[in-house]
Amino acid sequence: QKEVEQDPGPLSVPEGAIVSLNCTYSNSAFQYFMWYRQYSRKGPELLMYTYSSGNKEDGRFTAQVDKSSKYISLFIRDSQPSDSATYLCAMSESYGQNFVFGPGTRLSVLP
Amino acid sequence: EAGVAQSPRYKIIEKRQSVAFWCNPISGHATLYWYQQILGQGPKLLIQFQNNGVVDDSQLPKDRFSAERLKGVDSTLKIQPAKLEDSAVYLCASSLVLAGGTDTQYFGPGTRLTVL
Repeated sequence: QKEVEQDPGPLSVPEGAIVSLNCTYSNSAFQYFMWYRQYSRKGPELLMYTYSSGNKEDGRFTAQVDKSSKYISLFIRDSQPSDSATYLCAMSESYGQNFVFGPGTRLSVLP
Repeated sequence: EAGVAQSPRYKIIEKRQSVAFWCNPISGHATLYWYQQILGQGPKLLIQFQNNGVVDDSQLPKDRFSAERLKGVDSTLKIQPAKLEDSAVYLCASSLVLAGGTDTQYFGPGTRLTVL
């Protein structure tokens, strides 16, 4: 079993749809959880950062962490074609180090 | 604010040759990371520097990969000799890692290496 797994994708949705992206993990020591967006031929950029369990909202994006289930989610409301990218979850045990990334889910939002 | 700079952007070499990548982090960022991202996979951490000291190099294949960070600023990653399986994008990232804040990593555009 890989340490961090994501829904395989690719995922295609119509513009305006609500998108749900998910990751599961096996290491119960992970405390810091991140979602990155990566456009083709670009480096990842941080979207959301959460410490421990709970929800966090930023504009159209909501991140949820359920440590008891070892499950994290990213929701995108009112999806736009510009949201078309690969979404990577990442997590770490310690602040600032030992980041482990999931394999990514490619999302296409169709106009 | 200038972002993380990397060069070259693309490199094609034959197996058993050597190659070096360069990274210039965001000014003032003490922490620097090198990642390997194979097509269809997430980035894998190779090495992490705090200033010019190594914090974590547990996943660096030390028989062929080496990295240094001179004067705690720029960094180079070298592969010698390269293998076919080294074909990947090599990403550099930097962060402030301030106590009590977020350890947001800022990534460069990456160097795409093809080993023939």
